[in-house]
Amino acid sequence: EIVMTQSPATLSVSPGERATLSCRASQSITTALAWYQQKPGQAPRLLIYDAITRATGIPARFSGSGSGTEFTLTISSLQSEDFAVYYCQQSNNWPGTFGQGTRVEIK
Amino acid sequence: EVQLVESGGGLIQPGGSLRLSCAASGFTVSSEYMNWVRQAPGKGLEWVSVIFSDGDAYYADSVRGRFSISRDNSRDTVYLQMNNLRAEDTAVYYCARDVSPYGLGAMGYWGQGTLVTVSS
Repeated sequence: EIVMTQSPATLSVSPGERATLSCRASQSITTALAWYQQKPGQAPRLLIYDAITRATGIPARFSGSGSGTEFTLTISSLQSEDFAVYYCQQSNNWPGTFGQGTRVEIK
Repeated sequence: EVQLVESGGGLIQPGGSLRLSCAASGFTVSSEYMNWVRQAPGKGLEWVSVIFSDGDAYYADSVRGRFSISRDNSRDTVYLQMNNLRAEDTAVYYCARDVSPYGLGAMGYWGQGTLVTVSS
């Protein structure tokens, strides 16, 4: 099973600032990496898949990068609605394991 | 419009069985990769199972041998049969559809979830 490790666990950011979230895979997953956003009491929402492709309706301030074992989700200018928990998930091998999440909170 | 509606959750004793349903609309379940993902209270996401468009299925190690995924194409509904339930299976269970009919493994559509509580 591929282990996904996210860092940091919590990120404190002021509105309008840039947020950079990291995700590392225990072995190469090429670009089979997705990012999700989850707010309290809601289902997760797909933001990015194939490491760099924004899902339908996702604002351009969300961008993904990386390949192999190191990946990054960048939120260029945080809006109030972006404060949430973010998960990465690999889809190179089954089971499609998730990272433990990064909470983005208001500084 | 794609919609997924889960049902069947509830309180069940350890060792019991439960069947979750996921009713789909706006697409045909037989043409897509359909997943179950769970989230224990206050915890992260855990992928549980997938049924591929060709009918094959895959399970997480934690549920293999106890859970079974299936679908009814005539009803556009996916099921998760859960047997020999344990306290650690307590979670919100989400049904989720792959973002692509080619099965990219990313889940682009989610239901609202159904809560399963395993407790005596």
